[in-house]
Formats: sequence, structure tokens, C-alpha cells
Amino acid sequence: DAGVTQSPTHLIKTRGQQVTLRCSPKSGHDTVSWYQQALGQGPQFIFQYYEEEERQRGNFPDRFSGHQFPNYSSELNVNALLLGDSALYLCASSLWGAGGDTQYFGPGTRLTVL
Amino acid sequence: EDQVTQSPEALRLQEGESSSLNCSYTVSGLRGLFWYRQDPGKGPEFLFTLYSAGEEKEKERLKATLTKKESFLHITAPKPEDSATYLCAVRTGGGADGLTFGKGTHLIIQP
Repeated sequence: DAGVTQSPTHLIKTRGQQVTLRCSPKSGHDTVSWYQQALGQGPQFIFQYYEEEERQRGNFPDRFSGHQFPNYSSELNVNALLLGDSALYLCASSLWGAGGDTQYFGPGTRLTVL
Repeated sequence: EDQVTQSPEALRLQEGESSSLNCSYTVSGLRGLFWYRQDPGKGPEFLFTLYSAGEEKEKERLKATLTKKESFLHITAPKPEDSATYLCAVRTGGGADGLTFGKGTHLIIQP
């Protein structure tokens, strides 16, 4: 049973550039959530996708956007990168609805903005 | 605003020395409290979900408990491989909502 996968593993960008991160959910899951984890901090919720729509959003600017595809995989896009966007980006998958609320995390993508 | 506070920030134990990690929360309508383990540079690994006060769950050397204001993660006779950051998170909405995490407790078990 394949778990949550993310790509790429590491990424280095410069300020002002744009980046796209990818996530494939655990088999059987239909909901994808994205989190940002700065060094020494707990993960912070960015947004959640279900049925190809953004269902909930945390306190992040519009520079952060996403997409979910019919096969439930998802992308996170960040525009106009800032130094402060350097972090570990985590994708978590779950099953929408009662009883399916445990979120399982992928290994993350380490983004460094220079 | 939902708040999750974990203590201590860091804990160093000798192998076999039992202890407890604390997670206190202030939320409007708890729908689940989650414990995760995270190794350096990796994604969080799911450990437990607790839903109501008085609930307890166990897995190997770990036991999680829940009251109306806090949760404890008890670790009994820990081994060096239990060294990790332990994260607590809460879910307060309906459906599969985003989690609110604490900053974690960095646990080091010395041989």
C-alpha cells in the first residue's frame, strides 16, 4: 500500500521566482492538505482540497495557490518567492467525511529561497 | 483562536527513564486530538487519535491520554530509537479540516 509521496525532495529557488510542488495521496484517500513547517516550528495549515476544490484555507497570502486533479493528486504553487518562504512543505492525505479524519503525511519538500 | 501549547520544548532522558510530554489546548469544540512523531527532515508519522476526555490509547512504549484541557504522551522505559520530535495537533471543524499544531517536544534518549 503506497503512502503519500511528494516531489521534488529538495528545491532551491531565488527571490521572486515561482515554484510548483507535487503530492500523490495515500491509496484510497480523496482529500489533500498542505502545510508549511519552518525550522523548529510545528506545521502550519495552508489549505485543503477535496473534489478538486479548495475547501478550507489557513492564514496564507494569495501567492499560495493549489490545484487538485481528478486522480486526487495535488499541486502547491507559490509565486513571487520571499526569503521567508524557505521551509519544509508537507502534504497530508485523508478520507473526506466522518471516520476518515486522520491525516497521513508525506516526506515533505525542502524549499530553500536565496 | 485555537491554541496548542506543548511542554517541555526539549527533554533529555536516560534509556529506561520514563516520563510524560504535555499538550494543552484552547479550542472551540474539539473534534479530535492527534499525536505525531517526526524525525529530522522527515514528515510526521501518525501515532494516535483521541476524541473524548478519559480516552486512552497505547502503542508499544507510548500511551496517550486526554482530559478536557490537555493530553499527555507517556513514554515508558524509552529506548534511543524513541528519540524524535513529538507533535500534538487538534481538529476543531466538521469534516476533514486543517490541523492546528503545537511546536513540538524534542525528545532525546541517551544510551
